[in-house]
Amino acid sequence: NAGVTQTPKFQVLKTGQSMTLQCAQDMNHEYMSWYRQDPGMGLRLIHYSVGAGITDQGEVPNGYNVSRSTTEDFPLRLLSAAPSQTSVYFCASHARGDGSQPQHFGDGTRLSIL
Amino acid sequence: KQEVTQIPAALSVPEGENLVLNCSFTDSAIYNLQWFRQDPGKGLTSLLLIQSSQREQTSGRLNASLDKSSGRSTLYIAASQPGDSATYLCAVSRRAGGTSYGKLTFGQGTILTVHP
Repeated sequence: NAGVTQTPKFQVLKTGQSMTLQCAQDMNHEYMSWYRQDPGMGLRLIHYSVGAGITDQGEVPNGYNVSRSTTEDFPLRLLSAAPSQTSVYFCASHARGDGSQPQHFGDGTRLSIL
Repeated sequence: KQEVTQIPAALSVPEGENLVLNCSFTDSAIYNLQWFRQDPGKGLTSLLLIQSSQREQTSGRLNASLDKSSGRSTLYIAASQPGDSATYLCAVSRRAGGTSYGKLTFGQGTILTVHP
């Protein structure tokens, strides 16, 4: 049971480039999220999904796109990378929508924008 | 807007000590509060989850309490060990209707170092 898998683990981009951060979970969880972690800011929610075809914005959604075509996958797209998007990105999932189940996190993608 | 604060920011203790980490939040309308552990360069591991109707949860040497009315939670670690060294994060899921169950607001964490 792999849990939540994020790829790539590290990435360096130039300003203006686009890329997709991949996230997959094998626990059949309906709920998935993307967070970014920055020094002094903690973890902040970017986007959230409650199932295939349903997404919602978090605290810092600008500059990022998401879609959820399957239960297993929740990719995060950077449309035109900016230095302010240099961060560590974490994907998370959880099973039930009643607050009774903990969230499972991937190991993160460390992204640098030059 | 929900704000979560963790005190202290860093803590260094000798092995064997019992210790308490503190977490406070500004909006008591929550679904749950979770404590996570994060090792350097790694993701977050869930330690304990306390639902809004509960007062505490225990797992091994860890005990977490929740006082929703005062907006506070504590994580108690008994008989600390060097392997407990990590960053401990507190997060709340704010009750904001609809699909907000899993939308977590995090504190900035407490960096714990346990010396042999």
